[in-house]
Amino acid sequence: EIVLTQSPGTLSLSPGERATLSCRASQTVNGRYFAWYQQKPGQAPRLLIYGADNRATGIPDRFSGSGSGTDFTLTISRLEPEDFAVFYCQQYGRSPYTFGQGTNLQI
Amino acid sequence: EVQLVESGGGLVQPGRSLRLSCAASGFTFNEHGMHWVRQRAGKGLEWVAGISWNSDSIVYAESVKGRFTVSRDNAENSLYLQMNSLRAEDTALYYCAKDRWDSGTSCYDRWGQGTLVTVSS
Repeated sequence: EIVLTQSPGTLSLSPGERATLSCRASQTVNGRYFAWYQQKPGQAPRLLIYGADNRATGIPDRFSGSGSGTDFTLTISRLEPEDFAVFYCQQYGRSPYTFGQGTNLQI
Repeated sequence: EVQLVESGGGLVQPGRSLRLSCAASGFTFNEHGMHWVRQRAGKGLEWVAGISWNSDSIVYAESVKGRFTVSRDNAENSLYLQMNSLRAEDTALYYCAKDRWDSGTSCYDRWGQGTLVTVSS
Protein backbone atom coordinates (compact mmCIF):
# COMPACT_ATOMS: atom_id res chain seq x y z
CA GLU A 1 0.00 0.00 0.00
CA ILE A 2 1.26 3.46 -0.90
CA VAL A 3 1.24 5.71 2.15
CA LEU A 4 0.78 9.43 1.50
CA THR A 5 2.10 11.91 4.06
CA GLN A 6 0.88 15.48 3.82
CA SER A 7 2.66 18.48 5.26
CA PRO A 8 2.10 20.64 7.07
CA GLY A 9 -0.80 19.28 9.08
CA THR A 10 -2.09 22.79 9.62
CA LEU A 11 -1.26 25.90 7.63
CA SER A 12 -2.28 29.33 8.88
CA LEU A 13 -2.30 32.08 6.26
CA SER A 14 -4.18 35.21 5.31
CA PRO A 15 -6.21 36.04 2.22
CA GLY A 16 -3.96 37.22 -0.57
CA GLU A 17 -1.04 35.06 0.53
CA ARG A 18 0.41 32.07 -1.30
CA ALA A 19 -0.19 28.56 0.01
CA THR A 20 2.06 25.59 -0.67
CA LEU A 21 0.86 22.15 0.40
CA SER A 22 3.00 19.05 0.06
CA CYS A 23 2.35 15.35 -0.23
CA ARG A 24 5.01 12.66 -0.17
CA ALA A 25 4.38 9.08 -1.26
CA SER A 26 6.09 6.04 0.25
CA GLN A 27 6.58 4.62 -3.26
CA THR A 28 6.64 6.06 -6.76
CA VAL A 29 3.15 6.90 -7.97
CA ASN A 30 2.41 5.24 -11.31
CA GLY A 31 1.93 7.51 -14.29
CA ARG A 32 1.43 10.67 -12.25
CA TYR A 33 -1.97 9.31 -11.22
CA PHE A 34 -2.28 11.86 -8.47
CA ALA A 35 -5.13 14.11 -7.35
CA TRP A 36 -5.94 16.87 -4.90
CA TYR A 37 -9.33 17.45 -3.26
CA GLN A 38 -10.75 20.27 -1.17
CA GLN A 39 -13.28 19.61 1.58
CA LYS A 40 -15.17 22.29 3.47
CA PRO A 41 -17.00 21.56 6.74
CA GLY A 42 -20.21 19.63 6.21
CA GLN A 43 -19.54 19.18 2.50
CA ALA A 44 -18.35 16.39 0.27
CA PRO A 45 -14.83 16.61 -1.17
CA ARG A 46 -14.36 18.44 -4.47
CA LEU A 47 -11.80 17.45 -7.08
CA LEU A 48 -9.25 20.22 -7.71
CA ILE A 49 -6.37 18.61 -9.58
CA TYR A 50 -5.98 15.31 -11.46
CA GLY A 51 -3.01 13.80 -13.28
CA ALA A 52 -0.77 15.76 -10.87
CA ASP A 53 -1.10 19.08 -12.71
CA ASN A 54 -4.47 19.27 -14.49
CA ARG A 55 -7.18 21.50 -13.08
CA ALA A 56 -10.61 19.92 -12.85
CA THR A 57 -13.57 21.57 -14.53
CA GLY A 58 -14.49 24.90 -12.98
CA ILE A 59 -11.42 25.17 -10.74
CA PRO A 60 -9.88 28.67 -10.72
CA ASP A 61 -6.42 29.06 -12.16
CA ARG A 62 -5.01 30.19 -8.81
CA PHE A 63 -4.93 26.46 -7.99
CA SER A 64 -2.03 24.55 -9.52
CA GLY A 65 -0.49 21.13 -9.03
CA SER A 66 2.99 19.87 -9.70
CA GLY A 67 5.27 16.97 -8.98
CA SER A 68 6.01 13.42 -9.99
CA GLY A 69 7.43 10.24 -8.55
CA THR A 70 7.03 10.57 -4.82
CA ASP A 71 6.73 14.31 -4.27
CA PHE A 72 3.71 16.40 -5.18
CA THR A 73 2.66 19.96 -4.44
CA LEU A 74 -0.56 21.94 -4.50
CA THR A 75 -0.10 25.69 -4.77
CA ILE A 76 -2.77 28.34 -4.30
CA SER A 77 -1.28 31.52 -5.70
CA ARG A 78 -3.42 34.11 -3.92
CA LEU A 79 -5.76 32.87 -1.23
CA GLU A 80 -9.38 33.88 -1.38
CA PRO A 81 -11.62 33.67 1.74
CA GLU A 82 -13.49 30.70 0.25
CA ASP A 83 -10.27 28.67 -0.17
CA PHE A 84 -9.84 27.89 3.51
CA ALA A 85 -10.63 24.21 4.00
CA VAL A 86 -9.03 20.80 4.40
CA PHE A 87 -7.07 19.50 1.42
CA TYR A 88 -6.39 15.84 0.65
CA CYS A 89 -4.01 14.26 -1.81
CA GLN A 90 -4.74 10.89 -3.40
CA GLN A 91 -2.85 8.40 -5.51
CA TYR A 92 -4.90 6.33 -7.93
CA GLY A 93 -2.10 4.60 -9.76
CA ARG A 94 -2.26 1.43 -7.69
CA SER A 95 -4.95 -0.18 -5.59
CA PRO A 96 -5.62 0.43 -2.76
CA TYR A 97 -6.21 4.02 -3.82
CA THR A 98 -4.92 5.87 -0.80
CA PHE A 99 -5.45 9.38 0.54
CA GLY A 100 -3.18 11.56 2.62
CA GLN A 101 -4.26 12.49 6.13
CA GLY A 102 -5.13 16.05 5.09
CA THR A 103 -3.81 19.59 5.49
CA ASN A 104 -6.04 22.04 7.31
CA LEU A 105 -5.65 25.45 5.67
CA GLN A 106 -6.96 28.00 8.13
CA ILE A 107 -7.18 31.76 8.29
CA GLU B 1 -26.44 18.29 -13.44
CA VAL B 2 -24.65 15.28 -11.96
CA GLN B 3 -26.32 13.98 -8.83
CA LEU B 4 -25.31 11.14 -6.56
CA VAL B 5 -27.69 10.37 -3.73
CA GLU B 6 -26.71 7.80 -1.13
CA SER B 7 -29.18 6.00 1.11
CA GLY B 8 -29.41 2.99 3.38
CA GLY B 9 -27.28 4.17 6.29
CA GLY B 10 -28.36 3.86 9.90
CA LEU B 11 -27.67 2.32 13.28
CA VAL B 12 -26.77 -1.37 13.20
CA GLN B 13 -25.40 -3.80 15.77
CA PRO B 14 -21.92 -5.29 15.44
CA GLY B 15 -21.91 -8.39 13.32
CA ARG B 16 -25.05 -7.43 11.40
CA SER B 17 -25.43 -6.33 7.79
CA LEU B 18 -26.42 -3.21 5.93
CA ARG B 19 -26.84 -2.37 2.25
CA LEU B 20 -26.04 1.09 0.95
CA SER B 21 -27.38 2.45 -2.33
CA CYS B 22 -26.33 5.33 -4.54
CA ALA B 23 -28.75 6.69 -7.14
CA ALA B 24 -26.98 8.43 -10.01
CA SER B 25 -28.35 10.94 -12.49
CA GLY B 26 -27.19 13.66 -14.84
CA PHE B 27 -24.53 11.59 -16.59
CA THR B 28 -24.20 8.35 -18.54
CA PHE B 29 -23.82 5.97 -15.62
CA ASN B 30 -22.63 2.98 -17.64
CA GLU B 31 -19.66 4.96 -18.96
CA HIS B 32 -18.03 5.52 -15.60
CA GLY B 33 -16.44 3.51 -12.86
CA MET B 34 -17.76 4.16 -9.37
CA HIS B 35 -16.36 4.07 -5.84
CA TRP B 36 -17.25 4.10 -2.17
CA VAL B 37 -15.16 6.29 0.11
CA ARG B 38 -15.75 6.64 3.83
CA GLN B 39 -14.88 9.23 6.44
CA ARG B 40 -14.97 8.64 10.17
CA ALA B 41 -16.09 11.59 12.24
CA GLY B 42 -13.41 14.26 12.31
CA LYS B 43 -11.01 12.08 10.32
CA GLY B 44 -9.68 11.81 6.79
CA LEU B 45 -10.89 10.04 3.69
CA GLU B 46 -10.56 6.28 3.26
CA TRP B 47 -11.18 4.58 -0.07
CA VAL B 48 -13.35 1.49 0.43
CA ALA B 49 -14.15 -0.11 -2.93
CA GLY B 50 -14.28 0.55 -6.66
CA ILE B 51 -16.05 -1.00 -9.63
CA SER B 52 -15.57 -0.56 -13.36
CA TRP B 53 -18.36 0.41 -15.74
CA ASN B 54 -19.20 -3.19 -16.60
CA SER B 55 -18.37 -4.73 -13.20
CA ASP B 56 -15.45 -6.65 -14.70
CA SER B 57 -12.97 -5.00 -12.37
CA ILE B 58 -13.75 -4.77 -8.66
CA VAL B 59 -11.25 -3.85 -5.96
CA TYR B 60 -11.46 -3.45 -2.19
CA ALA B 61 -9.50 -1.97 0.66
CA GLU B 62 -7.93 -4.65 2.84
CA SER B 63 -9.97 -3.44 5.81
CA VAL B 64 -13.25 -4.50 4.15
CA LYS B 65 -12.17 -7.34 1.86
CA GLY B 66 -14.28 -10.44 2.44
CA ARG B 67 -16.95 -8.48 4.34
CA PHE B 68 -18.12 -5.84 1.85
CA THR B 69 -19.37 -6.35 -1.70
CA VAL B 70 -19.72 -3.55 -4.25
CA SER B 71 -22.09 -3.96 -7.19
CA ARG B 72 -23.95 -1.88 -9.72
CA ASP B 73 -27.09 -2.01 -11.83
CA ASN B 74 -26.57 0.03 -14.99
CA ALA B 75 -30.21 -0.34 -15.99
CA GLU B 76 -31.19 1.33 -12.72
CA ASN B 77 -28.28 3.82 -12.63
CA SER B 78 -27.45 2.57 -9.17
CA LEU B 79 -24.41 1.60 -7.13
CA TYR B 80 -24.55 -0.62 -4.06
CA LEU B 81 -22.42 -1.61 -1.12
CA GLN B 82 -23.39 -4.74 0.80
CA MET B 83 -21.74 -4.60 4.19
CA ASN B 84 -21.63 -7.78 6.28
CA SER B 85 -20.05 -8.60 9.63
CA LEU B 86 -20.01 -4.94 10.54
CA ARG B 87 -17.60 -3.69 13.18
CA ALA B 88 -17.47 -0.58 15.32
CA GLU B 89 -14.60 0.70 13.18
CA ASP B 90 -16.88 0.70 10.11
CA THR B 91 -18.78 3.60 11.66
CA ALA B 92 -18.40 6.45 9.18
CA LEU B 93 -20.02 8.66 6.59
CA TYR B 94 -20.02 6.70 3.34
CA TYR B 95 -19.68 8.62 0.09
CA CYS B 96 -20.49 7.42 -3.40
CA ALA B 97 -18.08 8.90 -5.96
CA LYS B 98 -17.97 8.99 -9.76
CA ASP B 99 -14.76 8.02 -11.47
CA ARG B 100 -13.49 10.10 -14.38
CA TRP B 101 -12.92 6.94 -16.43
CA ASP B 102 -14.95 3.86 -17.29
CA SER B 103 -12.27 1.55 -15.90
CA GLY B 104 -12.63 2.89 -12.38
CA THR B 105 -8.90 3.66 -12.23
CA SER B 106 -8.98 7.43 -12.20
CA CYS B 107 -9.94 9.95 -9.58
CA TYR B 108 -13.39 11.14 -8.52
CA ASP B 109 -14.94 14.19 -10.13
CA ARG B 110 -18.32 14.03 -8.40
CA TRP B 111 -19.32 12.97 -4.94
CA GLY B 112 -22.60 12.43 -3.16
CA GLN B 113 -23.39 13.96 0.21
CA GLY B 114 -22.90 10.69 2.03
CA THR B 115 -24.94 8.34 4.20
CA LEU B 116 -24.04 7.76 7.84
CA VAL B 117 -23.43 4.24 9.13
CA THR B 118 -23.19 3.72 12.89
CA VAL B 119 -22.21 0.32 14.22
CA SER B 120 -23.00 0.04 17.89
CA SER B 121 -24.78 -2.23 20.34
